[in-house]
Amino acid sequence: DAGVIQSPRHEVTEMGQEVTLRCKPISGHDYLFWYRQTMMRGLELLIYFNNNVPIDDSGMPEDRFSAKMPNASFSTLKIQPSEPRDSAVYFCASSFGGEEQFFGPGTRLTVL
Amino acid sequence: QKEVEQNSGPLSVPEGAIASLNCTYSDRVSQSFFWYRQYSGKSPELIMSIYSNGDKEDGRFTAQLNKASQYVSLLIRDSQPSDSATYLCAVIGNYKLTFGKGTLLTVNP
Repeated sequence: DAGVIQSPRHEVTEMGQEVTLRCKPISGHDYLFWYRQTMMRGLELLIYFNNNVPIDDSGMPEDRFSAKMPNASFSTLKIQPSEPRDSAVYFCASSFGGEEQFFGPGTRLTVL
Repeated sequence: QKEVEQNSGPLSVPEGAIASLNCTYSDRVSQSFFWYRQYSGKSPELIMSIYSNGDKEDGRFTAQLNKASQYVSLLIRDSQPSDSATYLCAVIGNYKLTFGKGTLLTVNP
């Protein structure tokens, strides 16, 4: 079975540009999570969805970040405008029932 | 602020030894606990989950939970060089997974 799919795997952009990260969860999973990982702060939950509905976005750092889940098989995380401090690895994870979560390979974002 | 604390390590053990990884958490109402393994440059991989006090064994891995002490541990028996990775403790509350910063384990041949 295919796991969680994320694209792109690497993204290098310049400060001020818009960045869109994409995620396809495991088929049949009803929860989707977006995380950010840095050396300083570790792994942080940004937002999660249940049945395509955003449930908790309290981890989204600021209004420059937005996330959508238009259907059960696709989600996006958008940063506009991007800043150097947004450089991190962004993970998408999915779960059936919200407990055991399975992570995608991540997107390594570098903002110059 | 819900916190999950782990010793960052590195923890170095010889091949064949038992590696013991520890984790404490602050939220008393937490009910579900997980251990993830993360190889360098890779994503976290779920290796153990535990929900009730006591021990849970899966192959070379044993998770231990003590809710009264708010303590979770992971034992890796017969450690192998391929076990060298960062081990993340995670605690769930209201479907939100809070991770510790991880313990780097190195198994020396």
